[in-house]
Amino acid sequence: GAGVSQSPSNKVTEKGKDVELRCDPISGHTALYWYRQSLGQGLEFLIYFQGNSAPDKSGLPSDRFSAERTGGSVSTLTIQRTQQEDSAVYLCASSLGGTSGMVKFFGPGTRLTVL
Amino acid sequence: RKEVEQDPGPFNVPEGATVAFNCTYSNSASQSFFWYRQDCRKEPKLLMSVYSSGNEDGRFTAQLNRASQYISLLIRDSKLSDSATYLCVVNPGQGAQKLVFGQGTRLTINP
Repeated sequence: GAGVSQSPSNKVTEKGKDVELRCDPISGHTALYWYRQSLGQGLEFLIYFQGNSAPDKSGLPSDRFSAERTGGSVSTLTIQRTQQEDSAVYLCASSLGGTSGMVKFFGPGTRLTVL
Repeated sequence: RKEVEQDPGPFNVPEGATVAFNCTYSNSASQSFFWYRQDCRKEPKLLMSVYSSGNEDGRFTAQLNRASQYISLLIRDSKLSDSATYLCVVNPGQGAQKLVFGQGTRLTINP
């Protein structure tokens, strides 16, 4: 497929466990973004990658959240010691870059439920 | 105060009606403006960018008033398929490579 893909599509975990969420951007897209959408809330920016570096991590809510990107492609968002308030849909998006953050292509998201 | 505010609705209108959504943003440095639509349990999709001169795409017209920090979206001759949540979205400017989303306005078109 030519779109942004994310895995898993759904993840249920117990409070205190670590989770890893994966994003495969569109081939050739240098910019990659993570957002999350909690129930009844708007999308909230988490982190922006340009290539493998993350010039803007300002949206990560705590030091339990981290993300990396390797080879200018796949990105992994890791949440350590998950809490119930981490339950949300985590969305990844990619773009060619230089678009002031405007994205046309979001992935389908990973729905995370922390019990 | 939220950075981007929208009337959450819901708006319920009959097919064929014209419907308008409004949005305000608080950061005067904001540079780029967009409307996205989001269907239930799906990812957001870019509907259109919004320019100061106003712009139209088929049945959809977007307007931006920088002085009032106000954005609007007008949908004419609404279709059942227009039922969705409409998200007002802003780039906060100053080189930021991110988007700030409003909470969305839910629209249902009734047959």
